[in-house]
Amino acid sequence: GAVVSQHPSRVICKSGTSVKIECRSLDFQATTMFWYRQFPKQSLMLMATSNEGSKATYEQGVEKDKFLINHASLTLSTLTVTSAHPEDSSFYICSASAGVGYTFGSGTRLTVV
Amino acid sequence: GNSVTQMEGPVTLSEEAFLTINCTYTATGYPSLFWYVQYPGEGLQLLLKATKADDKGSNKGFEATYRKETTSFHLEKGSVQVSDSAVYFCALSGRLTGGGNKLTFGTGTQLKVEL
Repeated sequence: GAVVSQHPSRVICKSGTSVKIECRSLDFQATTMFWYRQFPKQSLMLMATSNEGSKATYEQGVEKDKFLINHASLTLSTLTVTSAHPEDSSFYICSASAGVGYTFGSGTRLTVV
Repeated sequence: GNSVTQMEGPVTLSEEAFLTINCTYTATGYPSLFWYVQYPGEGLQLLLKATKADDKGSNKGFEATYRKETTSFHLEKGSVQVSDSAVYFCALSGRLTGGGNKLTFGTGTQLKVEL
């Protein structure tokens, strides 16, 4: 079946630094990748949608300069949290789609100290 | 816009009890409906789905029927196990402005199954 690898699974960084999260589709070509943020005991909030080779489309209220998304190939998308602050601490999940169905990564727990 | 409403948790059941987690939706057109499960510290896994009215999705003893007349997709299982303890998300897929589909999730329902 379709597999999406997301790493790191956990990262702790200092306030003001940047963190990159990778999302790879291992056995299929993902034309679209989605990035979600999940707050404790809450649902997933879609942050942005990216199609390979084009700029990401951000949801309302998501700062595109803070959450940089790159989808340079059909198997890799990255989310970079720039100048991280403690309020950016959260669980980030990616999802990849080849047009039909969605496969989720296992998530990244980001803690900013 | 599209939205999904599901019952708040946590839901606590004894092993072998019957499970129902309610889910209703609002959407334009004919969305596909999904149930996802999230085990502690992990990402989401697709549990089951239905793509049109009256379809029944089923997997691992879980079932849900796409009811267009009541805009519902309730999740049921006849006999739960401790290993079913997780958070369950109802979701629907709708069209993105620029094409393609995106998922809209409910708030999730935590299920705790005790011996």
